[in-house]
Amino acid sequence: IQMTQSPSALSASVGDTVTIACRASENIINWLAWYQQKPGKAPKLLIFDASNLMSGVPSRFSGSGSGTDFTLTITSLQPDDFATYYCQFYSAYLWAFGQGTKVEIK
Amino acid sequence: EVQLMQSGAEVKKPGDSLKISCKGSGYTFTSNWLTWVRQLPGKGLEWMGKIDPSDSYTDYSPSFEGHVTISVDKSISTAYLQLSSLKESDTAMYFCVRHFGEYSSSSGDLWGQGTLVIVSS
Repeated sequence: IQMTQSPSALSASVGDTVTIACRASENIINWLAWYQQKPGKAPKLLIFDASNLMSGVPSRFSGSGSGTDFTLTITSLQPDDFATYYCQFYSAYLWAFGQGTKVEIK
Repeated sequence: EVQLMQSGAEVKKPGDSLKISCKGSGYTFTSNWLTWVRQLPGKGLEWMGKIDPSDSYTDYSPSFEGHVTISVDKSISTAYLQLSSLKESDTAMYFCVRHFGEYSSSSGDLWGQGTLVIVSS
């Protein structure tokens, strides 16, 4: 299974709404997670099962989609949100990550 | 505190072998699968393989099978990643990751801080 994210990078301003897309090469139901990674740090799980927010993650993060097409939305972008975001398919057999989307300050 | 603590950075020469450790604390170590993830410099995340700490059952990515060995010593709540015949292309950050919940088919909710491995002649 291949996971393809778009765009690879984007520039946005504080307060903007940002949308990142993730497409799976086949139907993955809702077995999709989103992670945030900052430079030099380990990734942090934001969303699992496509739309479930991890405890402690701000509600400005949301996930949607099922089947092959998924979206991560960040509303009212905050300075702490500038980072790289990865989608991930998970199953009993493997994990597969998207290539990442870098969210930069405009 | 619930955490995964990995061993420190390593500098190795081509052809060497290496064993990285990942110690879990603050939770029941045998209740969650553990996965290892590689991140090449400036690149994305790659799944290497996973282990069930309760019985040491392992599953490897075809991309890494034969080159890595994942093991666990549940008596000390520690998982290991062994890399053999290191090449300069193995230079990367390696993360251990706890699976969310008791099933292998889940995302990773707890990450180690990462171990930087540099392979250079």
